Order: sequence, then C-alpha cells, then structure tokens
Amino acid sequence: AQSVTQLGSHVSVSEGALVLLRCNYSSSVPPYLFWYVQYPNQGLQLLLKYTTGATLVKGINGFEAEFKKSETSFHLTKPSAHMSDAAEYFCAVGRTGTASKLTFGTGTRLQVTL
Amino acid sequence: DGGITQSPKYLFRKEGQNVTLSCEQNLNHDAMYWYRQDPGQGLRLIYYSQIVNDFQKGDIAEGYSVSREKKESFPLTVTSAQKNPTAFYLCASRDTDSGARELFFGEGSRLTVL
Repeated sequence: AQSVTQLGSHVSVSEGALVLLRCNYSSSVPPYLFWYVQYPNQGLQLLLKYTTGATLVKGINGFEAEFKKSETSFHLTKPSAHMSDAAEYFCAVGRTGTASKLTFGTGTRLQVTL
Repeated sequence: DGGITQSPKYLFRKEGQNVTLSCEQNLNHDAMYWYRQDPGQGLRLIYYSQIVNDFQKGDIAEGYSVSREKKESFPLTVTSAQKNPTAFYLCASRDTDSGARELFFGEGSRLTVL
C-alpha cells in the first residue's frame, strides 16, 4: 500500500518569500513522486517528478523538490513566491507494477499576499 | 495541439438520472484514468484502463461504469446508484510506450446533482 500526507491544508506566504510545501509518503518499494498544481476549476498540471537518479529535481515556474529516502519526504520549495503561484498543490506517489495508479495527497492551498 | 478534452465542463442532473461524462485524448496514450475530486479529500481513483476493451475498478468504483471501445475515448457514466455524485471529475492519460509514470489531466467536469 502507498499513501501521501501533506502537512497543512492552507499555507500563506508574502510575495517574495520562500515557499515550502510539505509532503511525506509511505511506500513498501522505491516510489515515484510527483507534484501537481491546480488552478480553480482546472485540471492538474505536472510541476515536477522524481523517478530515479538525482534526488533534487527541478520543475517548471522555479519550483524544486528533494527526495529524501531517510525522511520519506518530497517537500516542494520555491525561493521567491509570486502572486501567480497562488493555487492548490498536490503531492502524489506511485510505484512499479501498479499501472501508475497514483495516490494523491489531500492538497495544500497556497495563498500569496502582498 | 495534443491533449485531453473533457465535456461537458459543467453538468447539472436531477437525482435518479444517469449521466455520462466524455473524455477524449489525441495523445495516442494507451492508459486512461478517471479520478473524483472532493474538497479536502484530494483525488480518488474511480476506474482505469491500460488498453482498449479492458478496464479495472479503482478505489471508489461503486455507482460508476466505464467503457473503452476506442483508444482515444474513455467515457464515465455516473449512475443513479452513486449516492453522492456531486463532485469534480478528472480524466487522465499516460504514455505507456515511453515508460513515463506521470499522468496528463484534462480540464475536468463539474457535476452537480440538484
């Protein structure tokens, strides 16, 4: 079985501040990990992914995440928040042999204030 | 442009009526998925299909049905047996030929039961 926990259903940051969205997973085998972003009434867009190789992965819009096996974490960061980053963010986990049936976290809504 | 088209975007239905949500993709992906999204619950898998004429139940298949007669199409029927059908429904696909693990999502269909 696999699961995802996203700490904090709502996160608020000031424009220009660091963005940190937390994701912890559980998986009995090496996982595939993803971050998706969703704007209101839209589908999900892939921000970045970890499958194998380098544990620090860079994505679109200046976001990056680091896979830490010892901590079972895959936190999403961005050095400087922009107003356009306001959206809902989902962490997801998958693994080999499950037909990519991704398991999603409950989401974190990011608010960016002036 | 390649992508996933979901229709209708908004749908209202009376209790006791079946409704079918359309999902069409021109990405030439073999695998397709239906997820349901409710506020604060993330995404939950309803059905998935890895190949034409074959599909499997996901975690919350009760009250739903699907078909996969063509590679590009994966319609979802929400039946009257679904006790709480009001939700945002997301269709996704995956490129199995490349071995990619990420899902590509459509823009979603919002169903409201009156």
